[in-house]
Amino acid sequence: AQKVTQAQTEISVVEKEDVTLDCVYETRDTTYYLFWYKQPPSGELVFLIRRNSFDEQNEISGRYSWNFQKSTSSFNFTITASQVVDSAVYFCALSDLYNFNKFYFGSGTKLNVKP
Amino acid sequence: ETGVTQTPRHLVMGMTNKKSLKCEQHLGHNAMYWYKQSAKKPLELMFVYNFKEQTENNSVPSRFSPECPNSSHLFLHLHTLQPEDSALYLCASSQDLAGGQETQYFGPGTRLLVL
Repeated sequence: AQKVTQAQTEISVVEKEDVTLDCVYETRDTTYYLFWYKQPPSGELVFLIRRNSFDEQNEISGRYSWNFQKSTSSFNFTITASQVVDSAVYFCALSDLYNFNKFYFGSGTKLNVKP
Repeated sequence: ETGVTQTPRHLVMGMTNKKSLKCEQHLGHNAMYWYKQSAKKPLELMFVYNFKEQTENNSVPSRFSPECPNSSHLFLHLHTLQPEDSALYLCASSQDLAGGQETQYFGPGTRLLVL
């Protein structure tokens, strides 16, 4: 079965703290893609990253970094030196190669960054 | 206009009304999607279109009727809705449906309230 679990419903941090958002997935496929999206209060889901199952290198983009570990089926997202503008709901998603590019989204983690 | 746009951004309607949501993508993509996001629920995929043809209807009630006149435009026609249909309706597009690797780009959504 295809499934994404984001166990952290809500996280609150103080500005400049580092924070890690967890994502655990289940898939029947050997080839798959994982995504992270950010949803600010305005509602739009903003694409952050796409990672395929053959690329286990960690990725860093500015203050954002992603740790992909196939052994534990996890794709965690870390924000370094968090800022108030990072406050949003973050979604992890898994795409289905055999079902019309269907995305399986986690339930999201709401991040509150306080000044 | 860039990206994916949706109109209206907010909509209040009675249960006997008929209204339509509009989505337009300016990315040259061939696939478009409708999602429903209710409070405290994961995103629900409703419909998928690829090259104007519907490829997925995720057991959506017939009071929701999609229309895709071309690859750039997607509509969701609403009639005799129920209060539980109140939600954020998100439109997305991707290059196509190839192999589950296509990133979906989202619009800002329409917040619908059914009274």
